[in-house]
Amino acid sequence: QKEVEQDPGPLSVPEGAIVSLNCTYSNSAFQYFMWYRQYSRKGPELLMYTYSSGNKEDGRFTAQVDKSSKYISLFIRDSQPSDSATYLCAAGGATNKLIFGTGTLLAVQP
Amino acid sequence: GAVVSQHPSRVICKSGTSVKIECRSLDFQATTMFWYRQFPKQSLMLMATSNEGSKATYEQGVEKDKFLINHASLTLSTLTVTSAHPEDSSFYICSSLSDGRGGYTFGSGTRLTVV
Repeated sequence: QKEVEQDPGPLSVPEGAIVSLNCTYSNSAFQYFMWYRQYSRKGPELLMYTYSSGNKEDGRFTAQVDKSSKYISLFIRDSQPSDSATYLCAAGGATNKLIFGTGTLLAVQP
Repeated sequence: GAVVSQHPSRVICKSGTSVKIECRSLDFQATTMFWYRQFPKQSLMLMATSNEGSKATYEQGVEKDKFLINHASLTLSTLTVTSAHPEDSSFYICSSLSDGRGGYTFGSGTRLTVV
């Protein structure tokens, strides 16, 4: 079993839709969770960072962590074509090593 | 914000040659640099962790004699792929912890093609 599982998609939505991206993890030692956006042939860029359970909102993006169920989510409101990218969830603990999900390819259709 | 500058962005080399990839932290001190490899349509896989002034720690299955890592200063870490083979063709990305709240900054990646 992978430590971080993510549905690879692809996911195609119309412009303006609400997008829900999800990951599950198996290691109870993970303390912080991140979402990265990666455009083709580019390095990942940090979107959201959350520590422990709860919600965090930043503009159109909301990250949610439920440690009891080991479930992390990213919601994108009013999705735009420019949001089309691969979204990677990641989790880390005391070792500072990040474990990544496989990434979900999102396409927002104009 | 924090920036990690990675070069080259793309390199094509012949089988058997060596390639060096550089990552520089531009506005912070990168005590630790993480090196990842990403194959097409796959996630980032951690290869090794380098700490300034000490030997790198390699993940299981990664050949330390093939992937040489040097972290001689707080702003520069290098990965050298020695005696490259076509199966080493991949996207290599470096990352460093840029703040105390778990913010990792990634380089822009290096697309290595071995022919």
